[in-house]
Amino acid sequence: EVQLVESGGGLVQPGGSLRLSCAASGFSFSDYEMNWVRQAPGKGLEWVSYIIGGGGNTIYYADSVKGRFTVSRDNAKKSLYLQMNSLRAEDTAVYYCARFGDYPDYWGLGTLVTVSS
Amino acid sequence: QLVLTQSPSASASLGASVKLTCILSSGHTSYAIAWHQQQPETGPRYLMKVNSDGSHRKGDGIPDRFSGSSYGAERYLTISSLQSEDEADYYCQTWGDGIRVFGGGTKLTVL
Repeated sequence: EVQLVESGGGLVQPGGSLRLSCAASGFSFSDYEMNWVRQAPGKGLEWVSYIIGGGGNTIYYADSVKGRFTVSRDNAKKSLYLQMNSLRAEDTAVYYCARFGDYPDYWGLGTLVTVSS
Repeated sequence: QLVLTQSPSASASLGASVKLTCILSSGHTSYAIAWHQQQPETGPRYLMKVNSDGSHRKGDGIPDRFSGSSYGAERYLTISSLQSEDEADYYCQTWGDGIRVFGGGTKLTVL
């Protein structure tokens, strides 16, 4: 069974940093593209970033996080990471990791990040 | 620019059918999309991928009541025999090289 479990969310002050993790199981993690998607309170889904699978290291970011967020993966640990720096109030959201094969087919349950003083 | 457009809301009666629409922006009308369901206070769940020819591939455990189709730039999600648990937000998503895009979502109310 495919499972994605995010962790690392919490309350952080504006300008601060936070590192999210996504632990994967039930599939060959290294073969898959992995995405971060967020959802601000009461709002829709917003794509944040993706990192390709298959041993490559190509990464793309939404303009809203470019230069502040960094995605990485550790295939040996079957884990995906999101390092978030220079956090702003508008980064407050539930952050989901999602698997993407030929299409986006599995989601985690999310972890809440609140940026507030 | 790759954009997906969805109506903000839809409603239908218990036991009836409803057809949700997702519209691809000009120049991207051959793209496939995915439909995701988000029930209240839960994370999204993948429903199906819908190709430009109308073929679709559903996720594990998605009931036969859910189906997908296409016409031109429009991609559809049809839910038949509506049940109360179908009341949810429905998002379409598409993808290109270096980008992933979501529609604004449709809030479905089951009357």
